[in-house]
Amino acid sequence: NAGVTQTPKFRVLKTGQSMTLLCAQDMNHEYMYWYRQDPGMGLRLIHYSVGEGTTAKGEVPDGYNVSRLKKQNFLLGLESAAPSQTSVYFCASTSVSGANVLTFGAGSRLTVL
Amino acid sequence: DAKTTQPPSMDCAEGRAANLPCNHSTISGNEYVYWYRQIHSQGPQYIIHGLKNNETNEMASLIITEDRKSSTLILPHATLRDTAVYYCIVRGGATNKLIFGTGTLLAVQP
Repeated sequence: NAGVTQTPKFRVLKTGQSMTLLCAQDMNHEYMYWYRQDPGMGLRLIHYSVGEGTTAKGEVPDGYNVSRLKKQNFLLGLESAAPSQTSVYFCASTSVSGANVLTFGAGSRLTVL
Repeated sequence: DAKTTQPPSMDCAEGRAANLPCNHSTISGNEYVYWYRQIHSQGPQYIIHGLKNNETNEMASLIITEDRKSSTLILPHATLRDTAVYYCIVRGGATNKLIFGTGTLLAVQP
């Protein structure tokens, strides 16, 4: 089924460890986004990409890096995880002609101890 | 992107219409109003969007005031499965960013 797939769905890290979250979409969308959602809060934009090879900062980019080497994939990296990065991470994508109707993934729950 | 203001929570009786308000007084002429909802901890789901005219689809209706400074999302016959957080977002321009606020928690009561 077409859509946005996030891996892994769950992960527990120790402080200082690194990891990468993968977002893959098979809808040929140009734009991709990474959001985080803390308990009881709304979504906050971390980074986004408007095309292969391009990325831009969102509202809360510190402590994260991203890459968009292939159009269908958008990677979110944590170089040195901190407990403050414990959150649920959502990836989304949309097309240039999609009137910004975002398709979201199911989320990746990350816990940093 | 214009900011939006929504009430933090609302209740609605099952079978009745749910009317969710949103203020976006700083909206500019080329900015659209989008509504999404998030059930439990799932990924947000698109509901509807509009620019100036009222819009309706199979899920909901969107009423935008003539001055475009506020809008109302209407779920005509709310069910228990409509219990969710509803986000109103205003977006336009070339940045392609969608900034979510804290939304309205709609609780549909049996």
